[in-house]
Amino acid sequence: NAGVTQTPKFQVLKTGQSMTLQCAQDMNHNSMYWYRQDPGMGLRLIYYSASEGTTDKGEVPNGYNVSRLNKREFSLRLESAAPSQTSVYFCASSDSDTYEQYFGPGTRLTVT
Amino acid sequence: GNSVTQMEGPVTLSEEAFLTINCTYTATGYPSLFWYVQYPGEGLQLLLKATKADDKGSNKGFEATYRKETTSFHLEKGSVQVSDSAVYFCALSDYKLSFGAGTTVTVRA
Repeated sequence: NAGVTQTPKFQVLKTGQSMTLQCAQDMNHNSMYWYRQDPGMGLRLIYYSASEGTTDKGEVPNGYNVSRLNKREFSLRLESAAPSQTSVYFCASSDSDTYEQYFGPGTRLTVT
Repeated sequence: GNSVTQMEGPVTLSEEAFLTINCTYTATGYPSLFWYVQYPGEGLQLLLKATKADDKGSNKGFEATYRKETTSFHLEKGSVQVSDSAVYFCALSDYKLSFGAGTTVTVRA
């Protein structure tokens, strides 16, 4: 099993450009999450999806949108990138019963 | 709301030294508690977990006990190796994970 996969691994954008980060899981998990990781701040939740067809805001949703395309896939979109969105982005999924989350390898995004 | 406070780093140790990383939490209800580890350039991996008071989670020589009376979940390892160099995150979960800021541990040979 691949677990949680993310694409791309690295991306450089100019301010104002848009892009979509892709995430897929093959563990049949109901819940999926998007986090950003910044130095000294741990991981902060951007959006999550408790089940197919539902999405909810986390701590830092401004400037982002998400789509739960199906049970496997959960994408994160930046409509107009800003330098403050320079970060490492992690996707995760979890089983609803155990709350254990499994993480993808991350996408390192730089906005210039 | 739920929150996690963990010991600030960085922590630098010699091989075979004893490691403790303190973690305390604030939560309503009875959350599950986790320690995640992040090796350089990788995503987070679950290291151990405890789901109720007095449970002890253990894995790869690491241990942590869920202490409801002190709202703590401190991580310990008796003899660290260079390969334990990583960032360690304490987290709690009801249906979302709340993370501590992370503690960077460097083990020198």
